[in-house]
Amino acid sequence: DIQMTQSPSFLSASVGDRVTINCKASQNINRYLNWYQQKLGEAPKLLIYNANSLQTGIPSRFSGSGSGTDFTLTISSLQPEDVATYFCLQHNSWPYTFGAGTKLELK
Amino acid sequence: EVQLVESGGGLVQPGRSLKLSCAASGFTFSNYYMAWVRQAPKKGLEWVATISTSGSRTYYPDSVKGRFTISRDNAKSSLYLQMNSLKSEDTATYYCARRPFDYWGQGVMVTVSS
Repeated sequence: DIQMTQSPSFLSASVGDRVTINCKASQNINRYLNWYQQKLGEAPKLLIYNANSLQTGIPSRFSGSGSGTDFTLTISSLQPEDVATYFCLQHNSWPYTFGAGTKLELK
Repeated sequence: EVQLVESGGGLVQPGRSLKLSCAASGFTFSNYYMAWVRQAPKKGLEWVATISTSGSRTYYPDSVKGRFTISRDNAKSSLYLQMNSLKSEDTATYYCARRPFDYWGQGVMVTVSS
């Protein structure tokens, strides 16, 4: 199975900060990597698909980069509504696997 | 608007069975692979099952293979997960999701406990 190592597990940042979250795959997954935001009690929301494509309706402050084994989600200017848990998903090969998540809070 | 609404969760004893349902709307259900994903309390997400558009192909991780069965009824725009021989480690919130995992339901809680 492909292991997805996500870092950091916890992140505290201020409004306006640039925030980066990383996922590292244990083997090459090309660009088959999605990023999600999950707020308490809500369904996960797709932010970025295939490593760098912004899902329709998602603010442009969210962006994704990377390919192969190393991927990054960037929030260019943190907003209060961005407080949530973020996680990655590799869908390159079965079984699909997720990162453990990054809990993002306001400082 | 795409909507996925799960139902059928609850408290069940170890070794017993439970069947989850997911009602889909807002898109042509029969055109999409569908999946179930679960999240144990305070744990990460785990993919549980995927089914092809016609239902002829199904995929499972080893953790549930042989115990869980995913199925669908395209005429009813519904997805199902039959869970047998349930274990305490199956306790989780179960989400249905449209592949490519772009839309998810709100989830339904399954608790396996005596």
